[in-house]
Amino acid sequence: EPEVTQTPSHQVTQMGQEVILRCVPISNHLYFYWYRQILGQKVEFLVSFYNNEISEKSEIFDDQFSVERPDGSNFTLKIRSTKLEDSAMYFCATREADKVYEQYFGPGTRLTVT
Amino acid sequence: AQSVSQHNHHVILSEAASLELGCNYSYGGTVNLFWYVQYPGQHLQLLLKYFSGDPLVKGIKGFEAEFIKSKFSFNLRKPSVQWSDTAEYFCAASLLTGGGNKLTFGTGTQLKVEL
Repeated sequence: EPEVTQTPSHQVTQMGQEVILRCVPISNHLYFYWYRQILGQKVEFLVSFYNNEISEKSEIFDDQFSVERPDGSNFTLKIRSTKLEDSAMYFCATREADKVYEQYFGPGTRLTVT
Repeated sequence: AQSVSQHNHHVILSEAASLELGCNYSYGGTVNLFWYVQYPGQHLQLLLKYFSGDPLVKGIKGFEAEFIKSKFSFNLRKPSVQWSDTAEYFCAASLLTGGGNKLTFGTGTQLKVEL
């Protein structure tokens, strides 16, 4: 069964550094999402992306965050200058165009900012 | 603001016991509801979903959930749990807004099934 994959599985970075988290969607999926889960807290929506544009973003998704699909396969989340509070599990989710409510989640990237 | 709440944070059951996990939502419009499961070391998987129609929905692995509109609830049930059901369970909801279909999650319920 096709799966969403994410790399790296764990990233440790120093405060102020830039990080890029990568997601490879299932091949026929055109809608992409990023969520995050701070330890002990809810899974929170960050951003949705379709047709090379952001469809919706949350208050969390400020100017420090950006998303792109640089090569038609990977879907990336960039954090320009990481803060301690960015430490979390980041999940990518993707879906087909006509299956509006079926998001498939990747295994997540654990980001630790020190 | 829309929200989803799960009142049971940790549940411990013996094998063959019945399970019911509570989920309540707060939405102003038509809501779509989901239960996701995360087994240890694995990613979130969709257990079941409700869009419309029969309020009792059946999912994978013998799970079912009932949408009760008057109670704003979507509780997850399983008549007889197995050790392999040990996992974290998340209730989630979405509205069709601008095509984004973001999911709003509850805090999750950690289920441990003991032999």
